[in-house]
Amino acid sequence: KAGVTQTPRYLIKTRGQQVTLSCSPISGHRSVSWYQQTPGQGLQFLFEYFSETQRNKGNFPGRFSGRQFSNSRSEMNVSTLELGDSALYLCASSTDLAGGPGEQFFGPGTRLTVL
Amino acid sequence: KNEVEQSPQNLTAQEGEFITINCSYSVGISALHWLQQHPGGGIVSLFMLSSGKKKHGRLIATINIQEKHSSLHITASHPRDSAVYICAVSTIQGAQKLVFGQGTRLTINP
Repeated sequence: KAGVTQTPRYLIKTRGQQVTLSCSPISGHRSVSWYQQTPGQGLQFLFEYFSETQRNKGNFPGRFSGRQFSNSRSEMNVSTLELGDSALYLCASSTDLAGGPGEQFFGPGTRLTVL
Repeated sequence: KNEVEQSPQNLTAQEGEFITINCSYSVGISALHWLQQHPGGGIVSLFMLSSGKKKHGRLIATINIQEKHSSLHITASHPRDSAVYICAVSTIQGAQKLVFGQGTRLTINP
């Protein structure tokens, strides 16, 4: 089975721009979660999508949004980029557990640099 | 205080040594995860457990729900075990999400 894929792997943007990151889960996995990893804050949960609906959300501003398509692929969007948004963005897919994240299978991540 | 605390933050050992990494948490959880992250960023799930003990090869994970504590053990450690090990919990209060510890950087010298 193919693993979780993320595109692009690297991205450089300037402040004020917006960015869209893409994640394709493992076939059969309907839950997709997004995480941000920075040296200062470590790993933080952004949101989880299940069956095209946002099921859980972390403590991030509304500039961070996402969606999930009928084939379970997910996109994450960050608008009005700030320098502090520079991070490794990871997505993970899992099989469904009632109401929350199951065992997470991570993609390789997208490294976003905001200049 | 962080909801998930790991110790130690850094650990250096010689090849063959028995390794223990500890994780304590302060919130209600449905499960606890142990993750491994190698340089370059890739994260691999090692264990997901909600009670007792699990073993996979040289890795053993235990959890004590009453004491809100988990340990990850590595037997006969090898330089390829060098990585950052991250404990995370699936919370059951508020948004059901993963909350992560700060990670333990393990270095195994040959």
